[in-house]
Formats: sequence, C-alpha cells, structure tokens
Amino acid sequence: GAVVSQHPSRVICKSGTSVKIECRSLDFQATTMFWYRQFPKQSLMLMATSNEGSKATYEQGVEKDKFLINHASLTLSTLTVTSAHPEDSSFYICSAREEQKRNQPQHFGDGTRLSIL
Amino acid sequence: DAKTTQPPSMDCAEGRAANLPCNHSTISGNEYVYWYRQIHSQGPQYIIHGLKNNETNEMASLIITEDRKSSTLILPHATLRDTAVYYCIVPTGGFKTIFGAGTRLFVKA
Repeated sequence: GAVVSQHPSRVICKSGTSVKIECRSLDFQATTMFWYRQFPKQSLMLMATSNEGSKATYEQGVEKDKFLINHASLTLSTLTVTSAHPEDSSFYICSAREEQKRNQPQHFGDGTRLSIL
Repeated sequence: DAKTTQPPSMDCAEGRAANLPCNHSTISGNEYVYWYRQIHSQGPQYIIHGLKNNETNEMASLIITEDRKSSTLILPHATLRDTAVYYCIVPTGGFKTIFGAGTRLFVKA
C-alpha cells in the first residue's frame, strides 16, 4: 500500500537553530502534500499545502517565513522551521495521497517530534 | 464545506464491537466520508472511506445512512490496541483534510 516516510522522527536542538523535516511518498507521486502540527492533547492543525513546482499555500495564522516549505520533486516535500524557539516545539506530521486514482485517502508520515531547548 | 460532529469519548469492552457515530448533515452529493485513527504519538492511520454504500475492509465496516447525513464506523471485535482517537472527515474542497476533535475510544480489558 501507499507509504509516506518522514524523517527525522525526533529532533532536539538549541533555540535559534533551523530544522529541516523531510516527507517522502515512497511508491507514488504527489503534486500536493500537507503539513500539520499537533500540540499535546490537541488535534492536528493543518499548517500548509505543499505544491510541487510552486509556492506553498499557508493556512491563516501560519507564518510563511517561519515555516519554509519546498516541494522540489513529485516525491519529496521539506518543511524547514527557521530560527526555532521553544514555542515551536511540537509534533509535525505530513501527508500525501495517490492523486492518479480518484478519491484516495491521505497517507500520513509517522511524524517528527521537535523539541527546542 | 461539510463538517462533522463526533462524541468526544467512548468506552468499549475488549472483544466487543465498537460503534463510533459521526454526523455530517451538510455533506454534498459527491463528497466522501473518510475515517482515520491516531494512536498515541503516531501519525494518523487511514481506516476506511465511502460515498453512499456500506463498506468493509480488514480493519472495519462503515455504515452510511441512506440520506448520507451520518455514518457509523464499526470495529467488530475491539482489542486493546484499538484504543485511539478516531476521526471522521469530509475533506474540504474534495482533498484538504481538516481534523476535528475526534472520538477518543478506550478499549477496556
């Protein structure tokens, strides 16, 4: 079945560091991928839609200069948290679906737990 | 945009069927209902989806009412590992998956 791989699974770094998270679709192509953030005991919040070959679309309230998204190929999207601070500590999750088939579900990565000290 | 409402939590005895309801009264004629679950500290997992007919796979069954305003996810023999948050979702614009609070299912021994 369709698999989405996310790397790294966990990151611990100092405040001010920029952190890059990768999301790959392993056996299908995806022109669109999605990035979510989840705080403890809360639901997933959609941050942005990553579009292959064009700019990402950010949800209201999400800083595009803070969360840089690059979707350079049909199987890879990256999220870079720039100059991360403790309030950016969260669980980040990506998703993608097989667009060549109609009405396919989203497949999610295993998430990246980001801890900023 | 279609929205869904689910009870915040439910309990189920191990080995019994877990029936999780979802209301989606504003769903339009060509919008699918998708169910996902999230086990603690993991990414969401796809379970099942449907349009108007009942669906069954190796994980669960999905019963959709004839007017399509509600559906029920059925886990036929719940196990402790089915303890998770279950999300019923009608994608926005046909593809954007927005998560609500979901139903927290506790399967008890």
